[in-house]
Amino acid sequence: DVVMTQSPLSLPVTLGQPASISCRSSQSLVYSDGNTYLNWFQQRPGQSPRRLIYKVSNRDSGVPDRFSGSGSGTDFTLKISRVEAEDVGVYYCIQATHWPWTFGQGTKVEIK
Amino acid sequence: EVQLVESGGDLVQPGGSLRLSCAASGFAFSSYYMGWVRQAPGKGLEWVANIKTDGSDKSYVDSVKGRFTISRDNSKNSLYLQMNSLRVEDTAVYYCARESRGPLDWGQGTLVTVSS
Repeated sequence: DVVMTQSPLSLPVTLGQPASISCRSSQSLVYSDGNTYLNWFQQRPGQSPRRLIYKVSNRDSGVPDRFSGSGSGTDFTLKISRVEAEDVGVYYCIQATHWPWTFGQGTKVEIK
Repeated sequence: EVQLVESGGDLVQPGGSLRLSCAASGFAFSSYYMGWVRQAPGKGLEWVANIKTDGSDKSYVDSVKGRFTISRDNSKNSLYLQMNSLRVEDTAVYYCARESRGPLDWGQGTLVTVSS
């Protein structure tokens, strides 16, 4: 199975400051169709996960533009340009290129 | 609005069985792969199984192969997970997910507790 490694696992951030989460895969996530199926999810406390980013860098409808995704191959990043209070939660990357889909361990974002 | 509502979670003894259901609405159910994802208490997420639009193809994570069966009824817009030979390590919140090369939408989850 593809191993997804996130860092850091805990990220205290000051309101209004940027935040960055890294996600690395144990093998390339480029699929035979040329797409890279790397998605990012946010899970707020007590809620179900919500998809933020799909195929590395595409924001889902309704997702604030302070969230952005980048990367290629095996190395990916989720950035929050200015953290707001509602961004508190756990962020997961997931690869959906190789079955079974696998998640990163999660990064807990909290306000300092 | 997409809605996924899971049900069927319960407390069950090791070795027991349970059937989870997911009622879907707000989208063309028969046009989407569907799946189940679980989250053990205080832990991360694990994709459990998914099923093709017409039910003809199913995939499972190794830890549940031979014990869990995913199925769907497109006439009822419903997804199911039959869980047999349950183990303590199967304890988790189970989420139903609409899939689009990875989970797109999630339900609120149903708790399965395996304990004696």
